Amino acid sequence: AQSVTQLDSHVSVSEGTPVLLRCNYSSSYSPSLFWYVQHPNKGLQLLLKYTSAATLVKGINGFEAEFKKSETSFHLTKPSAHMSDAAEYFCVVSDLASSGGYQKVTFGTGTKLQVIP
Amino acid sequence: DTAVSQTPKYLVTQMGNDKSIKCEQNLGHDTMYWYKQDSKKFLKIMFSYNNKELIINETVPNRFSPKSPDKAHLNLHINSLELGDSAVYFCASSRESGIRRGNSPLHFGNGTRLTVT
Repeated sequence: AQSVTQLDSHVSVSEGTPVLLRCNYSSSYSPSLFWYVQHPNKGLQLLLKYTSAATLVKGINGFEAEFKKSETSFHLTKPSAHMSDAAEYFCVVSDLASSGGYQKVTFGTGTKLQVIP
Repeated sequence: DTAVSQTPKYLVTQMGNDKSIKCEQNLGHDTMYWYKQDSKKFLKIMFSYNNKELIINETVPNRFSPKSPDKAHLNLHINSLELGDSAVYFCASSRESGIRRGNSPLHFGNGTRLTVT
């Protein structure tokens, strides 16, 4: 079975302070994990991905995430929030479905990041 | 040079009408998807095509019918529209090689906001 849980539906930070968006997953296979960002009225943009290489993954716009298998977590962090980071963030788990050999993708429910000036 | 493009961006229509949404990708990807995003931002897979072949068909009313004339295009036709169909519909694409390993990121269009009145 495959699932992903984003632990916070809303996160509010002050500009210039660190960002932490939490994600836990479960997967029957060796999963790939992604973070996407969605700005208002826009599509989803890939921030970063983990695909069984280095466990600390660096993405665009200063974001990074660490894959921790023992904790089944893939939390997204950024040292210093910028106003332009205000958006919806989605954690995504992907693996091969148990039948059919195709990629099965499950999205988390999203975390809305608010950045206070 | 848009990678995944959807038309129209906004679609307002009355209950009972039939409408179509078009999607095209110029990334050379072999797999395309339709996702539905509800008012709470939850993303749910509807369909996926790989090289014009349907590979994912989630529990979706049969009023929804995808069509893939070639691997660069995936259109969505909706018959007898209902109020509950109001949502944002996203088209996405990914590379086939990634599918076989389950690690291919999805590339999204900017969405079509469908409002049924």
